[in-house]
Amino acid sequence: EAGVAQSPRYKIIEKRQSVAFWCNPISGHATLYWYQQILGQGPKLLIQFQNNGVVDDSQLPKDRFSAERLKGVDSTLKIQPAKLEDSAVYLCASSLEPLPGESYNEQFFGPGTRLTVL
Amino acid sequence: AQSVAQPEDQVNVAEGNPLTVKCTYSVSGNPYLFWYVQYPNRGLQFLLKYITGDNLVKGSYGFEAEFNKSQTSFHLKKPSALVSDSALYFCAVRPRVSGSARQLTFGSGTQLTVLP
Repeated sequence: EAGVAQSPRYKIIEKRQSVAFWCNPISGHATLYWYQQILGQGPKLLIQFQNNGVVDDSQLPKDRFSAERLKGVDSTLKIQPAKLEDSAVYLCASSLEPLPGESYNEQFFGPGTRLTVL
Repeated sequence: AQSVAQPEDQVNVAEGNPLTVKCTYSVSGNPYLFWYVQYPNRGLQFLLKYITGDNLVKGSYGFEAEFNKSQTSFHLKKPSALVSDSALYFCAVRPRVSGSARQLTFGSGTQLTVLP
């Protein structure tokens, strides 16, 4: 089974520039997550999609970050304009949609995109 | 709001010795608890989870973890460490909520180094 794919793996930009990350989840996984992992910290959820709808974006800095999941499969995360503090690894994860009566499904993570903002 | 504490940034252990990576949590009600491992330049890999039942959970690569409700802890253990176990370990918690909000909260990570 193919895992979660992300691209690019590395990106270096200057502050105030724009950047976009792409994620392809595991086939059949209805739920998709974007996490931000700053060096020395654990991943922090930015946004969660269920199919193509947003479930939770409470920690997404909406003045500069946006994300979409057209057609309920691939997703893109965009930062515009980038700030120095956005330097981090951006992780995408996906999981199956829980069956009725269940409330948990394991998340599978991609390799991440390491963003450096200069 | 839930939180996870991993009190040790770094744990060093000799190969063949037992290892413990500590985790305590704070969440309303009974939690789901997880351990993930992260190797350099790779995403997080799932190790094990506690959902319900036996407090001792066995996972991948010989790792296990014990859920202690009274101490709100979920320490990761392995009887005999390998050099290849050297990696960054994350504990995570998620409340038992119905509906679609299932936010995982991660600890800050513990770097495990197994010395040959």
